[in-house]
Amino acid sequence: AQRVTQPEKLLSVFKGAPVELKCNYSYSGSPELFWYVQYSRQRLQLLLRHISRESIKGFTADLNKGETSFHLKKPFAQEEDSAMYYCALSGHNAGNMLTFGGGTRLMVKP
Amino acid sequence: GAVVSQHPSRVICKSGTSVKIECRSLDFQATTMFWYRQFPKQSLMLMATSNEGSKATYEQGVEKDKFLINHASLTLSTLTVTSAHPEDSSFYICSARAMGGGADTQYFGPGTRLTVL
Repeated sequence: AQRVTQPEKLLSVFKGAPVELKCNYSYSGSPELFWYVQYSRQRLQLLLRHISRESIKGFTADLNKGETSFHLKKPFAQEEDSAMYYCALSGHNAGNMLTFGGGTRLMVKP
Repeated sequence: GAVVSQHPSRVICKSGTSVKIECRSLDFQATTMFWYRQFPKQSLMLMATSNEGSKATYEQGVEKDKFLINHASLTLSTLTVTSAHPEDSSFYICSARAMGGGADTQYFGPGTRLTVL
């Protein structure tokens, strides 16, 4: 079975501080990992995916297969980064369906 | 870009009535649509996967007779909550996956908030 764990429900930082949102997963195979973001009163949207190795809005995430982690990082948080962040996993074993973590609310204080 | 709409955005109904929620892919064809449920301050829980022209696949613990799903066309899926009760009150979100796409081509609707009195 596939599972995604986000240990922190809330992460509060000051503007300009580094941010790391943790995500750990369990999956017997080679998963695809994603980060989704949900800004206040907006729909869920894809932020980034591990296979693209891209930086979106200053965020990056590296898949660490040894630690089964996919932590989301940003060196300098901005107030507009405040949102709910969901880590998600997709596996071929499950028809490419997404399994979401519990979500972390990021609050960036001025 | 790919847009998914849901209608209605908010609905309040009396206990015992049925409520239908529509999910539409506006500018692309979606062979697969997903229905999620989100409780306050919790994550999205997949309820069912619907493929156009075939029966939906329900996740464990989801009553198929309670949550009727119809995926009649490549752009429309409906979720009907039958004989709704207060415990069915929740935020229901659909997503649509583009034809031939993988997990990252799954686009989400804005959600429907159901309140059962």
